[in-house]
Amino acid sequence: RKEVEQDPGPFNVPEGATVAFNCTYSNSASQSFFWYRQDCRKEPKLLMSVYSSGNEDGRFTAQLNRASQYISLLIRDSKLSDSATYLCVVLTSGTYKYIFGTGTRLKVLA
Amino acid sequence: GAVVSQHPSWVICKSGTSVKIECRSLDFQATTMFWYRQFPKQSLMLMATSNEGSKATYEQGVEKDKFLINHASLTLSTLTVTSAHPEDSSFYICSANRRTGELFFGEGSRLTVL
Repeated sequence: RKEVEQDPGPFNVPEGATVAFNCTYSNSASQSFFWYRQDCRKEPKLLMSVYSSGNEDGRFTAQLNRASQYISLLIRDSKLSDSATYLCVVLTSGTYKYIFGTGTRLKVLA
Repeated sequence: GAVVSQHPSWVICKSGTSVKIECRSLDFQATTMFWYRQFPKQSLMLMATSNEGSKATYEQGVEKDKFLINHASLTLSTLTVTSAHPEDSSFYICSANRRTGELFFGEGSRLTVL
């Protein structure tokens, strides 16, 4: 079983739709969680950190469920410019390693 | 603006030559930097963890004599691909983390070995 798992997609959604991605992690010692966005042939860019209480930034909402060991990302009112690959990244204490999911591809269609 | 800068963005070289890629943290000190490689349509693959003032830690299957890493200061790490061959052609990306835990990536260096 992979340490961090994501559905690779692609998720094809119309403009204006709401879409949600989940990411599961296997190590209960994981301490920090992040969502990154990666455009084709570019570096990943930090979208948002995920806090225990959940957090929101504009159209984006991230949540953490420690009991079930997953994090989620919700995108409301999807824009064409949201088309990208969304990477889930988990930082594990002890080894202090960042573990990456394979990414979920999102295509927002006009 | 960028907090981690990587240079060069593009490199084309002949087989057998060595290529050096620089990674700088611009507004914070990074005792640890990470080097990744990414092939088209694949995930980021961690190659090594670069530690300031000490030897890098390489992931399994990554040749340390092939990919030389030097982290001589708190703001600079370099990756040298020695005797590059066409199969080394890839997108190389570095990253550094702030004390708060967020990881910031350089812009990446696209290497093409002819």
